[in-house]
Amino acid sequence: NAGVTQTPKFRILKIGQSMTLQCTQDMNHNYMYWYRQDPGMGLKLIYYSVGAGITDKGEVPNGYNVSRSTTEDFPLRLELAAPSQTSVYFCASSRNSDSNQPQHFGDGTRLSIL
Amino acid sequence: TQLLEQSPQFLSIQEGENLTVYCNSSSVFSSLQWYRQEPGEGPVLLVTVVTGGEVKKLKRLTFQFGDARKDSSLHITAAQPGDTGLYLCAGGTGGSNYKLTFGKGTLLTVNP
Repeated sequence: NAGVTQTPKFRILKIGQSMTLQCTQDMNHNYMYWYRQDPGMGLKLIYYSVGAGITDKGEVPNGYNVSRSTTEDFPLRLELAAPSQTSVYFCASSRNSDSNQPQHFGDGTRLSIL
Repeated sequence: TQLLEQSPQFLSIQEGENLTVYCNSSSVFSSLQWYRQEPGEGPVLLVTVVTGGEVKKLKRLTFQFGDARKDSSLHITAAQPGDTGLYLCAGGTGGSNYKLTFGKGTLLTVNP
């Protein structure tokens, strides 16, 4: 049972570099999300998507971009990495927006910007 | 901006003890979810409560949603080392869960 798969698991970037965090799910879920988790700060929503071709900003979208060309994939792009983007990034998916539906999380990408 | 305050932030107890963690807000939520996160992994849903005053039990874990749907609690009876982890509450609004507000979490350590 793959669920939500994130790659890479770890990455170190230099300031100003760019990279794409990959996320794929095999549950045919319509909704997908990107969060960042900083120590002692909980999870903050970066971007979300309610279906292929539809994306919208969350609470902390600055410095990031997303796309959703297929139901399965929801990559997160960092164009100009900054030290403030050092964090653990989680991708999640849910079947729909019903309040009784869980969000299924990947195991995260640990990103350091030096 | 809706906020969820969790307390305590850290909790270290001995195996067999009981504990309660709290999730409070000044805002009303249509649903409240509790997740547990273990080191190196993503959060995993434990329970969802949607009705004011609702109580749900999951083995030794008891979850309650406040009557006014502004707060929730998680009570663990006879804690075990396997209960160790970060407990996160998350509130949904408008009858949906696709824009959840997460609390900062309670880090629980149960010592053998």
